Amino acid sequence: DTGVSQDPRHKITKRGQNVTFRCDPISEHNRLYWYRQTLGQGPEFLTYFQNEAQLEKSRLLSDRFSAERPKGSFSTLEIQRTEQGDSAMYLCASSLAGLPDEQYFGPGTRLTVT
Amino acid sequence: DAKTTQPPSMDCAEGRAANLPCNHSTISGNEYVYWYRQIHSQGPQYIIHGLKNNETNEMASLIITEDRKSSTLILPHATLRDTAVYYCIVRAIQGAQKLVFGQGTRLTINP
Repeated sequence: DTGVSQDPRHKITKRGQNVTFRCDPISEHNRLYWYRQTLGQGPEFLTYFQNEAQLEKSRLLSDRFSAERPKGSFSTLEIQRTEQGDSAMYLCASSLAGLPDEQYFGPGTRLTVT
Repeated sequence: DAKTTQPPSMDCAEGRAANLPCNHSTISGNEYVYWYRQIHSQGPQYIIHGLKNNETNEMASLIITEDRKSSTLILPHATLRDTAVYYCIVRAIQGAQKLVFGQGTRLTINP
């Protein structure tokens, strides 16, 4: 059983650098979500794809953030000009349209901006 | 903002039933109650969901009050591996709805 995978698991970068994360969802899942989680808080929604279409973006997703899902399979999340406040765990989840639409989460990518 | 209220922490002895409460007094008729948990350093894990009837699966039971304003997640025989943060989430039935996480309940299972 291949669950949701994310790469890399950890990323340390210097302020001002660009970073890109990858998420591979469960193969038959057509919905893909990105969340961000800071220490001691629950995950916060960033954006959502159904197939290759990005259907919803949170106000948390500033213009430095961009996400793609080019062929409706894997997705990438890029952060440009990273800031220290971007340090967080970035979580990807996928689901199959239709009830119960339970979301399966990956292990996350922990970003540290120094 | 999260539509649920949960106690910040709870303790339970290993082997006993863990009962985690959740208040969702503003829940509307088209919203389900979902429970997820997050074990340290892992992504959240789906546990169970329900609309108005009690539900049970291999992981847990979900008891929803008749007025649907609160619910209880029951782990019947808690083990040390059940130590985690448990999130109660209300979510609309239709459409792809993001999960809105609150602070959750940090459940500690003690040996």
